[in-house]
Amino acid sequence: QVQLVESGGGLVKPGGSLRLSCAASGFTFSDYYMSWIRQAPGKGLEWVSYISSSGGIFYADSVKGRFIISRDNAKNSLFLQMNSLRAEDTAVYYCARDSSLAYWGQGTLVTVSP
Amino acid sequence: DIVMTQSPDSLAVSLGARATINCKSSQSVLYSSNNKTYLGWYQQKPGQPPKLLIYWASTRQSGVPDRFSGSGSGTDFTLTISGLQAEDAAVYYCQQYYSSPRSFGQGTKLEI
Repeated sequence: QVQLVESGGGLVKPGGSLRLSCAASGFTFSDYYMSWIRQAPGKGLEWVSYISSSGGIFYADSVKGRFIISRDNAKNSLFLQMNSLRAEDTAVYYCARDSSLAYWGQGTLVTVSP
Repeated sequence: DIVMTQSPDSLAVSLGARATINCKSSQSVLYSSNNKTYLGWYQQKPGQPPKLLIYWASTRQSGVPDRFSGSGSGTDFTLTISGLQAEDAAVYYCQQYYSSPRSFGQGTKLEI
């Protein structure tokens, strides 16, 4: 069965960096489009970034120039390098499969606070 | 950028009744070359990740009960939940995956 497991979240100071990982299993990872979506506490869903199976990448304006999405198909893993973090980046970060977001991980919490 | 607007923001519906949630996109999410509508509906319960209910605007995801149905075309879409059950209490989101940046509606909270 499809499984996505995020890790790497935690508490970081404003201006700091964090790298999130998403370990995928149960499907041929290299064949699929993968996304990061976040949800601030008590708020709605915000799409962050995607990377296609061929390596095409897109970012939300709110993270462009600060976040970098990447994938390692050999390790069935998706990454999100987050730099210059701000308080408004505080959220649960989910990875999801497919352009339709058919499968989601449980999420990892990122807290940006002094 | 495509803006997704849901209505209402919240609703309370009785057990066994029908709930209707609307979603409007600021531009069409129908891709004419394949006649597919790039619109999904998601259910999120407290403390859980979202779950895909409907894709291509009206195709039910495997395992989703048939009391959930999606309809609409172009820019106006509806999620209908018939025969409401207690476990349907959740926040529901629509999302367009027609163009980047992808975008979600603000969510509709359904109380039973």
